[in-house]
Amino acid sequence: GQNIDQPTEMTATEGAIVQINCTYQTSGFNGLFWYQQHAGEAPTFLSYNVLDGLEEKGRFSSFLSRSKGYSYLLLKELQMKDSASYLCAVMGSDYKLSFGAGTTVTVRA
Amino acid sequence: DAGVTQSPTHLIKTRGQQVTLRCSPKSGHDTVSWYQQALGQGPQFIFQYYEEEERQRGNFPDRFSGHQFPNYSSELNVNALLLGDSALYLCASSLVLAGRETQYFGPGTRLLVL
Repeated sequence: GQNIDQPTEMTATEGAIVQINCTYQTSGFNGLFWYQQHAGEAPTFLSYNVLDGLEEKGRFSSFLSRSKGYSYLLLKELQMKDSASYLCAVMGSDYKLSFGAGTTVTVRA
Repeated sequence: DAGVTQSPTHLIKTRGQQVTLRCSPKSGHDTVSWYQQALGQGPQFIFQYYEEEERQRGNFPDRFSGHQFPNYSSELNVNALLLGDSALYLCASSLVLAGRETQYFGPGTRLLVL
């Protein structure tokens, strides 16, 4: 099975940077995903990492270290619309996607 | 290009009843996965369908069953509903390309069991 841990809540100021960490233990690995979920809505795909290193996509970047079972999502130049829950998910060797409980990010003016 | 669609958007049932939820995958996708998301939690994997067969299953009782049709659309059926089945039910579709499978979610069906 999979065990995925991420912080419950984070608060930051508009324009700032926030880093959301995710640690995982898995019996197989086919990639790590980050999703954004606004309240009452479905998760939206943000990023995918399968090799070690940093993937940058606009204001969002995601990092993976497979040997450490660790990933982070970096949100730069925070905007009010970035207030949401951010879900870390690991795809195992069986192609099942296992999610963490999510990190609620609140952006203050 | 239509994304993943689900119906209905909201549903209210009473304990012991049965419910059927529907999902149409994103155009070109052949795999459908179903998830249950309780308030304040991450989605929990129920099962996945590929080529009209259940390919993987999570830790859910047999009351949860599904089906995939030749056009890749899918249904989730839940029998003998319990209060604890109240949740957001999410469908995600995907296609394996170059060994990578990214799942895209539909808007979900919010089920309330009274």
